[in-house]
Amino acid sequence: GENVEQHPSTLSVQEGDSAVIKCTYSDSASNYFPWYKQELGKRPQLIIDIRSNVGEKKDQRIAVTLNKTAKHFSLHITETQPEDSAVYFCAATGPTSGTYKYIFGTGTRLKVLA
Amino acid sequence: EAQVTQNPRYLITVTGKKLTVTCSQNMNHEYMSWYRQDPGLGLRQIYYSMNVEVTDKGDVPEGYKVSRKEKRNFPLILESPSPNQTSLYFCASSLLGVKNIQYFGAGTRLSVL
Repeated sequence: GENVEQHPSTLSVQEGDSAVIKCTYSDSASNYFPWYKQELGKRPQLIIDIRSNVGEKKDQRIAVTLNKTAKHFSLHITETQPEDSAVYFCAATGPTSGTYKYIFGTGTRLKVLA
Repeated sequence: EAQVTQNPRYLITVTGKKLTVTCSQNMNHEYMSWYRQDPGLGLRQIYYSMNVEVTDKGDVPEGYKVSRKEKRNFPLILESPSPNQTSLYFCASSLLGVKNIQYFGAGTRLSVL
């Protein structure tokens, strides 16, 4: 079945450094790739997304890149701050058989050390 | 205020006692979905619905039922809960198409004893 692999499972960085989280998907029909941030005890919230017709998207300190050929997409956070500490999830979805099933990665716990 | 509302937020029950978790959205979204979140497994989709009377299985539908009789509501039904359904459950909704950002409810923490 469809699968999304996410690495690493935990990531510790010094404040001000960059963080990169990588995901690989299996379903070539996937065309929408959102990233969610989940703080402790809270609901997941979308932080950035990318569609298959775009290779890169940036929003201030956050960027996402997509390599459709390799079925890879990555989240890049620059100048990390303590408030970036959270669990990050990638996901993939697309019109498989006309419906939109979401497959999530298993999450990356990011710790930004002050 | 645009929101996805789940009830109850916390529930402790016993094996075999039927329960329903409600989900309601006020954004006129076509797409609604249920996920369960377990440590180390991320979010797994249980069922989703692309419109009224249209539902589809996600990755882990066994032991769950859903219905979509109205656009705003998408209840999750556990007819005979078992301990392996102890989990954190999230409902989410979105538009379809290019504005398909999912909005999540606050979550329901379910314990089945």
